[in-house]
Amino acid sequence: DAKTTQPPSMDCAEGRAANLPCNHSTISGNEYVYWYRQIHSQGPQYIIHGLKNNETNEMASLIITEDRKSSTLILPHATLRDTAVYYCIVRVRSNFGNEKLTFGTGTRLTIIP
Amino acid sequence: SQTIHQWPATLVQPVGSPLSLECTVEGTSNPNLYWYRQAAGRGLQLLFYSVGIGQISSEVPQNLSASRPQDRQFILSSKKLLLSDSGFYLCAWNSREAYNSPLHFGNGTRLTVT
Repeated sequence: DAKTTQPPSMDCAEGRAANLPCNHSTISGNEYVYWYRQIHSQGPQYIIHGLKNNETNEMASLIITEDRKSSTLILPHATLRDTAVYYCIVRVRSNFGNEKLTFGTGTRLTIIP
Repeated sequence: SQTIHQWPATLVQPVGSPLSLECTVEGTSNPNLYWYRQAAGRGLQLLFYSVGIGQISSEVPQNLSASRPQDRQFILSSKKLLLSDSGFYLCAWNSREAYNSPLHFGNGTRLTVT
């Protein structure tokens, strides 16, 4: 799986958009970009994923650059409950469907009241 | 809807004692099942995964073992715990049928070996 690089921490004011960057310059054509978050003492929560088109769901938007070497997760109106560690992962599914996902240390996002 | 249950939430065990953590998934059939461990301040390490009953693959050599006695049940075990087994253990599942199905995690078990 391609390696990802994320800033270790970020702050965002409550009510503003939180933009979390991720670099994945070695991504290959069949690798998807996934975002998860982990609130303290809980299991990671899936947020969104995409291949090359921008994606949006009820939680967030995912913007992937045209060369696919970086992406940005956008939380449009951050709340205090969005304080968590956010993980960016790129991976391709194996023939057996097993997930050898590599979760790095992610970005610790703190929402400021 | 699908749910994943993991228990217990916290566990304190002495060195040398056995371990059994259980995970069950509801609302889906034939899931892929996974056990991860997260050390403090670190990312997740894949320990075991299973694509079916009785089919277990180990990712790292260690003091732990896993079993899948039923389609939606995944158990993590140890005969004798070590201090280094302390950590946050997470069970996860995804769909075998849906390409690029995301992982869904349980709320984890925080194990402290004393």
